[in-house]
Amino acid sequence: AQKVTQAQTEISVVEKEDVTLDCVYETRDTTYYLFWYKQPPSGELVFLIRRNSFDEQNEISGRYSWNFQKSTSSFNFTITASQVVDSAVYFCALSEARTGGFKTIFGAGTRLFVKA
Amino acid sequence: GAVVSQHPSWVICKSGTSVKIECRSLDFQATTMFWYRQFPKQSLMLMATSNEGSKATYEQGVEKDKFLINHASLTLSTLTVTSAHPEDSSFYICSARVKGGSYNEQFFGPGTRLTVL
Repeated sequence: AQKVTQAQTEISVVEKEDVTLDCVYETRDTTYYLFWYKQPPSGELVFLIRRNSFDEQNEISGRYSWNFQKSTSSFNFTITASQVVDSAVYFCALSEARTGGFKTIFGAGTRLFVKA
Repeated sequence: GAVVSQHPSWVICKSGTSVKIECRSLDFQATTMFWYRQFPKQSLMLMATSNEGSKATYEQGVEKDKFLINHASLTLSTLTVTSAHPEDSSFYICSARVKGGSYNEQFFGPGTRLTVL
C-alpha cells in the first residue's frame, strides 16, 4: 500500500533562513510519481513539482530545491532564504503507476511559518 | 494551461438538506476525476474516483449513498452531499486527469468550503 509520511507537523523559521521539509514514502510499485504542493490560507493547492521514480536527479527552481533519494525513499524539499510569503502548508504526495484510477495520496502536511 | 473550476466556492446549508458541488475541466477533457475532503488542519483524504460514464469507486469508509458522484461528461463531475450534517462540514477539492495525457497529469480545482449548520 502506498503511504506518505511528513513527520514535521509545524516548522517556524525567521525570514532568510533555509528550511527543509521532509517526506518519506512507501510503495511496492517500481513506477510511481512524487509531488509537492503548497496550500496557502486561501486553500487552493499550488503545484510545485512532479518527479517520476526513474528520475533521481535533484531539481532546483529559484529558491526551491528537491532531493530525491530512492535508497531512503525520501523526497525532501528545501526553501533557501525563506520569505514571509512562503508561509503555507506544504504537502508531499505519491501516485503509483499500477493503482487503478491513478490515485494520489497525500502526506499529513507540514505547516511552515516564516516570521519577518 | 489546464484549468479546473469548482462551483460553488463556498456554501452554507441547513442540516438535513442536500448540496451539490460541481467540478469542471474548462479547457481539457478529463477521463477521471477525483474527489477529496479536507478537514481543518488536516490532509486531503481521497473520497472517490469517478470515471466518465461509469460508477464511481469509493474509498473505504466513505458512504456512497451519502456522497453521490456523477460523472456525466468528460468535463463535468458532481458531488452531492445528501442529508448533510454538521460533521460533513469540510473543504471539498476535486482533481481531473487529462484524457490522453500522461497518467500522472492531474489538475486540482480551487475547492468548495461546505458549512452545515
